[in-house]
Order: sequence, then C-alpha cells, then structure tokens
Amino acid sequence: NAGVMQNPRHLVRRRGQEARLRCSPMKGHSHVYWYRQLPEEGLKFMVYLQKENIIDESGMPKERFSAEFPKEGPSILRIQQVVRGDSAAYFCASSAYRGTNEKLFFGSGTQLSVL
Amino acid sequence: GEDVEQSLFLSVREGDSSVINCTYTDSSSTYLYWYKQEPGAGLQLLTYIFSNMDMKQDQRLTVLLNKKDKHLSLRIADTQTGDSAIYFCAEMNYGGSQGNLIFGKGTKLSVKP
Repeated sequence: NAGVMQNPRHLVRRRGQEARLRCSPMKGHSHVYWYRQLPEEGLKFMVYLQKENIIDESGMPKERFSAEFPKEGPSILRIQQVVRGDSAAYFCASSAYRGTNEKLFFGSGTQLSVL
Repeated sequence: GEDVEQSLFLSVREGDSSVINCTYTDSSSTYLYWYKQEPGAGLQLLTYIFSNMDMKQDQRLTVLLNKKDKHLSLRIADTQTGDSAIYFCAEMNYGGSQGNLIFGKGTKLSVKP
C-alpha cells in the first residue's frame, strides 16, 4: 500500500523558469493538501483540493502559483517565473475523508532550489 | 490569528525522558497533533489528542493537554537515538468552512548516547 508519492524529490530551477511539482495521494484518498516549509519554519498551508475542485486556496500566493487535481492523474502544484524566495520544501498530504478526525498522511516532499 | 509556539531545540541523553512543549492560541481547536520529521523525510503522524481529553498514552508516548492554558506536551519515555528528529505540534483550524493544520516551527530533538 504505497503512501503519498511526490516527485521529483529535488528540483533545481533558475529564476524565471517554471516549476511543476507532482503528488499522487494514497490509494483511496480523494483529498489533497499542499504545504510549504521554508528553512527553519513550520509547514504553512497553501491549498486544499478534491478531484477537479479547489476547495480552499487561502494560503496560496495570488500570483504565479496554481494547483490542480484532475479527475485522472496526480495533483500538480505549478509555480511560474520562480524567484529565489520560492526555494523551500513543498509537501503534499492526502486524507480519505474530511471531518473532525481526519488524518493527513504526508509525502516526503519536493525540495525546490531556485538559483 | 492562529499561532503555535514551540521551543526550537531539546537535547537529552539516551534512556532519559524527553518532554517537548507547545502552546497554541485557537481555543476552538478540536484535535491537536504531534508529527515527527526525520532528515529528508516527510511528516509522520505520531499521535493526536481530542480537546476534551487531558491525557493520552501510547506506548512510550504520553500527550498532556491543558486546555485552560492552551498548553500541549509530548513526553517520550526511554528516549532512543532513533528518536532524534524534528517534532511538530499542530492544531486543526476550522476557520470558515474548511480546516487546515496550523504547525509550530518544530522542536529539534537530539539524543546523545
């Protein structure tokens, strides 16, 4: 039973390029969350998606960032025109349901480095 | 706004008990969580406690919750070198119609042999 799979593990981009981060939730999970961890910081919520729907994007920057979770395939977090401040670890989590005792299972993260 | 505070570092000797403390601000939180992050890995859910409880024990782990003071602690008995990691306290925030986890900055636990 594979856990939450994220790829790539490490991604290096130059300023101005695009970064695409992928996340495959655990089997049977239809709720996906993206979190960002800046150096020496805790994880900060970015966006919560269900299949084909963005439910809550209150933590996502208004510009350059977008997320999707299509009917088929992984969830994608896309960062356009990356800047050095985007360098961080991006974690995806999934859950089987949404409720007061939902348990989030996290992937190993994608470390984005912007040169 | 919501905030979760933790001390950043803790160092203990192997075999001793470790106590990691956390304070939170959202009194409406229903669940509070402890996650463990080993180097280069994602977060692993260690344990959680419902807000109407004041203690939960799970093998070597004991969680204490003081809801009045909004204080949460994680005690690890007989700490081993394999327990060396960063421990994150998190509360579930149900602001608006949806919820998300609010994390502290993490406590780095170092276990010396």
